[in-house]
Amino acid sequence: GEDVEQSLFLSVREGDSSVINCTYTDSSSTYLYWYKQEPGAGLQLLTYIFSNMDMKQDQRLTVLLNKKDKHLSLRIADTQTGDSAIYFCAFDRGSTLGRLYFGRGTQLTVWP
Amino acid sequence: EPEVTQTPSHQVTQMGQEVILRCVPISNHLYFYWYRQILGQKVEFLVSFYNNEISEKSEIFDDQFSVERPDGSNFTLKIRSTKLEDSAMYFCASSPLDGGDSGNTIYFGEGSWLTVV
Repeated sequence: GEDVEQSLFLSVREGDSSVINCTYTDSSSTYLYWYKQEPGAGLQLLTYIFSNMDMKQDQRLTVLLNKKDKHLSLRIADTQTGDSAIYFCAFDRGSTLGRLYFGRGTQLTVWP
Repeated sequence: EPEVTQTPSHQVTQMGQEVILRCVPISNHLYFYWYRQILGQKVEFLVSFYNNEISEKSEIFDDQFSVERPDGSNFTLKIRSTKLEDSAMYFCASSPLDGGDSGNTIYFGEGSWLTVV
């Protein structure tokens, strides 16, 4: 099946790095995504990585993909209180682009 | 920055009533989607829509649900005879492409929170 697992909570101090982890079972994914959801808001696309890449960097965000272990991570450098939100990993299957399978989300809390 | 917009943001409806949730996808996008998130559960795919027809639907999307693109800008989800278990946040999304090297960036709206009582 299409199972995606994330830890539910992460707390960090402002200025530290945050690493949010995600594991998945389906190896046929083409794209893997990270979305952010602030309270009362929708799902904001943060970044995505193509399955033939190992790493993607976008300003403070670094995505690492280990296809062998089916592990995806999102690193946020210099975490700010405004980064407090729920972070969802999601992936598609190669044959059905656009149908995303989501994890339960990781609640990131940043302490000043 | 272009965004997907959804209305209403909140709706309370009585069990058995019909509900229409509306969405305006990003204007140059070609693929449209509905997802839902029941409180405390994962975001789940309902349906994808391309070229004025459903391209894929999940097992959740039964005869109670329908989608329509009534004009060049709106994309609607209709839920007939709502049940208590239909209470959820419903997200509309759109994407410009069908994948490939340029990516398949899928943008979500802010959601419509439906409460069935």
